[in-house]
Amino acid sequence: QKEVEQNSGPLSVPEGAIASLNCTYSDRVSQSFFWYRQYSGKSPELIMSIYSNGDKEDGRFTAQLNKASQYVSLLIRDSQPSDSATYLCAVNRAGNNRKLIWGLGTSLAVNP
Amino acid sequence: DTGVSQDPRHKITKRGQNVTFRCDPISEHNRLYWYRQTLGQGPEFLTYFQNEAQLEKSRLLSDRFSAERPKGSFSTLEIQRTEQGDSAMYLCASRRGEETQYFGPGTRLLVL
Repeated sequence: QKEVEQNSGPLSVPEGAIASLNCTYSDRVSQSFFWYRQYSGKSPELIMSIYSNGDKEDGRFTAQLNKASQYVSLLIRDSQPSDSATYLCAVNRAGNNRKLIWGLGTSLAVNP
Repeated sequence: DTGVSQDPRHKITKRGQNVTFRCDPISEHNRLYWYRQTLGQGPEFLTYFQNEAQLEKSRLLSDRFSAERPKGSFSTLEIQRTEQGDSAMYLCASRRGEETQYFGPGTRLLVL
């Protein structure tokens, strides 16, 4: 089992719909969680960080963390074609908080 | 622009040549990371510095790879005797303590 798992996609949603991206992690004591967006040929850019159970909202983006179930999700409301990208989940593991553990990313396509 | 810069942005070299990449992190960031990323994959950890000390190095990093951060500011990544399999995007990221990690634009390497 990989430490951080994401469905590779592609996830395809129509413009204006809600896109739901999921990530599971294996280390139960992981402490902090990040979603990055990466456009083709570009470097990852931070979308959201979340540290405690529950929801965190920022504009059209909502991150949801459930430590008991060991998953973190990202919801994108009112999806736009410009949201089409790969979304990377990264986890900071307790006891080794110096580096992030990365998923392989989920490709999202928002169709006009 | 995250404030992390990398140079060069693109490098084409012939197999067997040496290449060196530079990363300038955000000035107050004490932690610096190098990653390698190939198409369809998440960032692959190479090495990590805290200030000038190289604290962790991936087993994936062969003896042909070396990294330095001589004064705890900028860092260099050198690849000796390049091979075609070294073709990838090389990403640098920095963070202050356990705060968010910010990426530079990356250096895209093509080994012919």
